[in-house]
Amino acid sequence: ELKVEQNPLFLSMQEGKNYTIYCNYSTTSDRLYWYRQDPGKSLESLFVLLSNGAVKQEGRLMASLDTKARLSTLHITAAVHDLSATYFCAVDLYGTASKLTFGTGTRLQVTL
Amino acid sequence: GAVVSQHPSWVICKSGTSVKIECRSLDFQATTMFWYRQFPKQSLMLMATSNEGSKATYEQGVEKDKFLINHASLTLSTLTVTSAHPEDSSFYICSAGSYEQYFGPGTRLTVT
Repeated sequence: ELKVEQNPLFLSMQEGKNYTIYCNYSTTSDRLYWYRQDPGKSLESLFVLLSNGAVKQEGRLMASLDTKARLSTLHITAAVHDLSATYFCAVDLYGTASKLTFGTGTRLQVTL
Repeated sequence: GAVVSQHPSWVICKSGTSVKIECRSLDFQATTMFWYRQFPKQSLMLMATSNEGSKATYEQGVEKDKFLINHASLTLSTLTVTSAHPEDSSFYICSAGSYEQYFGPGTRLTVT
């Protein structure tokens, strides 16, 4: 059974600081996604990582994938309040862009 | 990007009644759609895979007689919660897509 764990589960950080969210998964997979969820809303796609060593950046967020270590990271640079949300990673076990197993989620709170 | 809609966005029903939730792919066809359930402050759990023209595939522990799924066309899947109980209150989210999954806005169900 595929298990996907994120840490930390909750992160409070000040504006301007840097931090990394980690996503570990238990079974080999070459496809991983990162999503953002605001309270009461559905998921917003952030990154699609399709191979070992993949790195993608958008604004203050950068995601990477190490399939050998079964680890993905979401790095936040110079956080701003607007980044406050819950972040989920999701693993595509079969590599078919279909059935996803979600991580536990990381609730990020950026304080002024 | 591709758009997935859900209707209704929120619904309140009395215990013992049934409620139907629709999931539509607006600008693409989807032979497969996925239904997720999310409890407050928790992650998304896959409930079932909806297959156009055939029976849905349910995840372990999900009662297929309680959560009826119908995928009658390439753009519409429905989830019917039968004989709803307060413990069925949750946020239901559907997804569809090929290269990646696009998520609907979600339906908040409250059973009183």
